[in-house]
Amino acid sequence: SQQGEEDPQALSIQEGENATMNCSYKTSINNLQWYRQNSGRGLVHLILIRSNEREKHSGRLRVTLDTSKKSSSLLITASRAADTASYFCARGTGGYNKLIFGAGTRLAVHP
Amino acid sequence: GAVVSQHPSWVICKSGTSVKIECRSLDFQATTMFWYRQFPKQSLMLMATSNEGSKATYEQGVEKDKFLINHASLTLSTLTVTSAHPEDSSFYICSARDSGRGPNNEQFFGPGTRLTVL
Repeated sequence: SQQGEEDPQALSIQEGENATMNCSYKTSINNLQWYRQNSGRGLVHLILIRSNEREKHSGRLRVTLDTSKKSSSLLITASRAADTASYFCARGTGGYNKLIFGAGTRLAVHP
Repeated sequence: GAVVSQHPSWVICKSGTSVKIECRSLDFQATTMFWYRQFPKQSLMLMATSNEGSKATYEQGVEKDKFLINHASLTLSTLTVTSAHPEDSSFYICSARDSGRGPNNEQFFGPGTRLTVL
């Protein structure tokens, strides 16, 4: 299977809480990217973290990368109902940096 | 960010017909384009990588004669689903990047095309 592992598969939280999603992979990477997708819609790029970086922030998003453990995490702080979506990690690999997506986490944020 | 469009956004066709989906980069040169397929409630599966002016590289298990990819210009790639069957019904998404800028520049995704084969 192409897909890496992502957990949890589903996450249900209340508004204001933090949400953490994890991603693991097996092969070497150029970078690790996180995307968001609302139901039936296209992808929204959130963050790209390079293989030589360990942490990156963007607004309420914080991404970490541990290449020794081949894992990454996405933290969404102070979640909002509008954050409800599916979140995917994707590892960029190869000369053309093709993306191999994880299975995704369905996040539901309740008002 | 850069814009990638797909046409059509949805298509319904009869079993046995062929369907062509276009992917265009509107404001940058896309030396490399990718095609993905996404079944309901599942993740994106990479189908193939296409580079302008050369043959596409297909992922394992993807039939190249079934899914014809043409990347004839730096702004256009097409995916043709030949002799479509109901099991080909899916959400097809393309992405594009300027691979000349190195591996760490962003891919830009199209909005997707929903194919329903009756």
